[in-house]
Amino acid sequence: AQKITQTQPGMFVQEKEAVTLDCTYDTSDPSYGLFWYKQPSSGEMIFLIYQGSYDQQNATEGRYSLNFQKARKSANLVISASQLGDSAMYFCAMIGSSNTGKLIFGQGTTLQVKP
Amino acid sequence: DAEITQSPRHKITETGRQVTLACHQTWNHNNMFWYRQDLGHGLRLIHYSYGVQDTNKGEVSDGYSVSRSNTEDLPLTLESAASSQTSVYFCASSLLTGELFFGEGSRLTVL
Repeated sequence: AQKITQTQPGMFVQEKEAVTLDCTYDTSDPSYGLFWYKQPSSGEMIFLIYQGSYDQQNATEGRYSLNFQKARKSANLVISASQLGDSAMYFCAMIGSSNTGKLIFGQGTTLQVKP
Repeated sequence: DAEITQSPRHKITETGRQVTLACHQTWNHNNMFWYRQDLGHGLRLIHYSYGVQDTNKGEVSDGYSVSRSNTEDLPLTLESAASSQTSVYFCASSLLTGELFFGEGSRLTVL
């Protein structure tokens, strides 16, 4: 069975500082993908970043980067230079070769950026 | 622009009533999914479909059903609403192994 774990229910970060949101996963699939989504208070789900299990380099998208450590089964999201608009809930999710198309989500981490 | 829309966005109903949440996508995606979001649980998969006439149960499918008569629509039906089904429901669609595109969510309250 596949599982995604986010152990930080809530986090605070000072504006302009970097923050790391933790995500660990468990799967026996040889090929899988990891996603991060952002959910602001308005409720919509916004795709942030994707990492494939065979990708040689860590994914980056603007201020977002994914610290992928395959041996540790972790896929932490790093947000650099935090902005007030980054305050939101963040979800880590996984898709595996054995569950075509289905994303499994972690419990989420609420991030609050302080001015 | 292609999109995925859900209706209604907010619904209040009574225990025992049948409720249908609509989901319509114009991405022409074969894969469609229904998730529910509850505090402390993240998003949990209710039902999903890989194409017309195909439906499958997710991890929390009890009390819910879906049908897929065309590519664009995957309505979610609660046959007899229960208070435990008070939640926010998200519809999503995707290509085979790609990013999920989400609807805006439907907030359902069962009294």
